[in-house]
Amino acid sequence: QSVLTQPPSASGTPGQRVTISCSGSSSNIGSNTVNWYQQLPGTAPKLLIYSNNQRPSGVPDRFSGSKSGTSASLAISGLQSEDEADYYCAAWDDSLNGHVVFGGGTKLTVL
Amino acid sequence: QVQLQESGPGLVKPSGTLSLTCAVSGGSISSSNWWSWVRQPPGKGLEWIGEIYHSGSTNYNPSLKSRVTISVDKSKNQFSLKLSSVTAADTAVYYCARDGEGGDTSDFDYWGQGTLVTVSS
Repeated sequence: QSVLTQPPSASGTPGQRVTISCSGSSSNIGSNTVNWYQQLPGTAPKLLIYSNNQRPSGVPDRFSGSKSGTSASLAISGLQSEDEADYYCAAWDDSLNGHVVFGGGTKLTVL
Repeated sequence: QVQLQESGPGLVKPSGTLSLTCAVSGGSISSSNWWSWVRQPPGKGLEWIGEIYHSGSTNYNPSLKSRVTISVDKSKNQFSLKLSSVTAADTAVYYCARDGEGGDTSDFDYWGQGTLVTVSS
């Protein structure tokens, strides 16, 4: 059972907009920034969004992030076949001397 | 361009100690970043193990803290992971990653390719 809650799956057709939610609590998302990772099959995770809504250099602006209270969301617009991957949210948790917590991951399928 | 490379045995016996090293190139381990270990059991999600700063300060996942030791070797620009009393549940791909600055972040911007460690007799 992950500390951050994500839907196990999401799907969309090419060109569509999809969102993936990440729900936490006051000790993690409620008081710290959220980061999102994309993991293509057989590869290491890649930082997709940092500090709630910032994109690292090279990440298309089709990807965007937001945070409100103890929840966060990742939005992907203009869905493309290469977006089919697992997506994870992460945040620092202030409880128990502090540690990083991840969501359980969402598998995105492009239909 | 910072690069990280994990190395270590791919097979560890139950009750033994898992030992991995992460070599950092293209950047200094003595930078203002922290350095983390993350693992992923086959077919499952990501789990943070812990992190270290070049000063030797560490933070660990509370669920693993009693079994984990992370250390740094500045002379070799690398950091290491030791996980004791392993069981089959510790079978996973182990990644090392560069963390943000401050020790209370979760923005891992550089990752190693990962190494599969299997716990089996």
